Amino acid sequence: EVQLVESGGGLVKPGGSLRLSCAASGFTFSSYSMNWVRQAPGKGLEWVSSISSSSSYIYYADSVKGRFTISRDNAKNSLYLQMNSLRAEDTAVYYCGCFGNDYWGQGTLVTVSS
Amino acid sequence: DIQMTQSPSAMSASVGDRVTITCRASQGISNYLAWFQQKPGKVPKRLIYAASSLQSGVPSRFSGSGSGTEFTLTISSLQPEDFATYYCLQHNSYPITFGPGTKVDIK
Repeated sequence: EVQLVESGGGLVKPGGSLRLSCAASGFTFSSYSMNWVRQAPGKGLEWVSSISSSSSYIYYADSVKGRFTISRDNAKNSLYLQMNSLRAEDTAVYYCGCFGNDYWGQGTLVTVSS
Repeated sequence: DIQMTQSPSAMSASVGDRVTITCRASQGISNYLAWFQQKPGKVPKRLIYAASSLQSGVPSRFSGSGSGTEFTLTISSLQPEDFATYYCLQHNSYPITFGPGTKVDIK
């Protein structure tokens, strides 16, 4: 059974940092590009970042460029998102996903508030 | 960057209705388009990939068409479980972009 399980969300003050993790199982994680997508409360879906299977190619949305860093550890079947300089507008449920196979995690809520 | 628009943004429909949702890209994206369905509090679910290919397990009342800049998602006969928000997604080039969504609710 394919599983993507996010963790690391929570409440953080503006300017703070969080590191999200996504643990993958049930498929060959190292073969696929992975993504982070977020959804602010009551809003639509927003792509955040993508990383290729071998980490050779990395892309970010303009809204997070310079503040967020995506990475992966294929030996641990894990995807990460380091989020720095967080803002109120970063408040959202963050999903990890593999678009190629339509695999999604259940999401982890990040709340940026003082 | 490629901008995605959807129309309508919301609609009311009845069970059995034929529903069509349109997604337009600000520039050509070939067939690098997917359609997702999302219900409140749930994870998005892909319905269509490559503009017109039906995701395994998705009912055949869903279909997609289009290429280039204009795409449609059609539900041939709306069922109670289809009331949801629908998003298109382009992955022709980065940044990947979602459409703003179309909420389909009960008339």
